[in-house]
Amino acid sequence: KAGVTQTPRYLIKTRGQQVTLSCSPISGHRSVSWYQQTPGQGLQFLFEYFSETQRNKGNFPGRFSGRQFSNSRSEMNVSTLELGDSALYLCASSESRGRTEAFFGQGTRLTVV
Amino acid sequence: AQKVTQAQTEISVVEKEDVTLDCVYETRDTTYYLFWYKQPPSGELVFLIRRNSFDEQNEISGRYSWNFQKSTSSFNFTITASQVVDSAVYFCALAAGNNDMRFGAGTRLTVKP
Repeated sequence: KAGVTQTPRYLIKTRGQQVTLSCSPISGHRSVSWYQQTPGQGLQFLFEYFSETQRNKGNFPGRFSGRQFSNSRSEMNVSTLELGDSALYLCASSESRGRTEAFFGQGTRLTVV
Repeated sequence: AQKVTQAQTEISVVEKEDVTLDCVYETRDTTYYLFWYKQPPSGELVFLIRRNSFDEQNEISGRYSWNFQKSTSSFNFTITASQVVDSAVYFCALAAGNNDMRFGAGTRLTVKP
């Protein structure tokens, strides 16, 4: 069974640009969550999607958005990038909502210059 | 409020030593789940264990063992006879109610040969 796939692995963007990150969950998993990891703030929850609906959202500005498609693949978008958005963005998939274990991808490392 | 505290920022041991990583959690929910994840340098978080709040039975898996104590709100992780390959950042996490999974700040374990 293939794991969680995130693309791209690395990205360099300029302040003010926007970026879209992609996450393909494990086959059969319907829940996808996104996290931002920075040295200063640690792992912070961005949002959770289940059956194409956002079920939960973390404390991030509206510049951060996401969506989930019918095949459970998910994308997150960050508009008007700021230097502070530089981080490792991790996607996690799980079979369902509730508290089953989540499996993480290798992340997308975004650098904003 | 939900919170996970990993007071040990960094731990360094010599190979074959035993090491315990501490995790203390806070939640008002009576049903909750606790997790441990390992993050090697490659970046992806690797699931190690999940425990629900009704199961205080300790668990052993090879060199890994977990001690869950509701009385002290702790879920500690012990590696016996540590190896260099155990070097990583270890995260404890809590999921309760409809809230997102909350991670601790992580403990960086370095095992020296």
